Amino acid sequence: SQQGEEDPQALSIQEGENATMNCSYKTSINNLQWYRQNSGRGLVHLILIRSNEREKHSGRLRVTLDTSKKSSSLLITASRAADTASYFCATVETGANNLFFGTGTRLTVIP
Amino acid sequence: SAVISQKPSRDICQRGTSLTIQCQVDSQVTMMFWYRQQPGQSLTLIATANQGSEATYESGFVIDKFPISRPNLTFSTLTVSNMSPEDSSIYLCSGVKDRAETQYFGPGTRLLVL
Repeated sequence: SQQGEEDPQALSIQEGENATMNCSYKTSINNLQWYRQNSGRGLVHLILIRSNEREKHSGRLRVTLDTSKKSSSLLITASRAADTASYFCATVETGANNLFFGTGTRLTVIP
Repeated sequence: SAVISQKPSRDICQRGTSLTIQCQVDSQVTMMFWYRQQPGQSLTLIATANQGSEATYESGFVIDKFPISRPNLTFSTLTVSNMSPEDSSIYLCSGVKDRAETQYFGPGTRLLVL
């Protein structure tokens, strides 16, 4: 399967703490993207990191990419209750255009 | 960016019937995709909707079961044919303006088959 793996599957933290989610994938990629999904609704794009990039920031989000280990991490700093959602990594394979999604991490931020 | 809407947002259908889901984008997109998300699971790509030609299906999905149309650069439909309870899922469409770049997703169609 081309699907990536994410861990942990579920994460519960207190508001104000940092949340880290990890993603591993199997193939050579063009880029890796992180998405958020609230309660089975549509996905919201968070950040895209290209295969030649190692780290990217967007507001309270920090994404790293290690192509040698075929892994990525998403760090959410100073979490808020509104961050409660499922987070998915998704990869675009080299030469392709479509996304392959990871298994997802369910994040719960407790007020 | 692109804003994508889907109709219907949800439906309850009887076994053996078919449902067509519409996906409308507010601006032209290069590529459109259809995904399925089964309860508690991640997204699985069904097919790439190609404008003016047959869709490109992923392994495990066939045109007879999931016929797709894309008559122009802003609209696509997915039909779930001869439905069974196993087809109960959320169906999402997405669009991308630049190949291999950010995808914009619709809110999804939640389907329950009895």
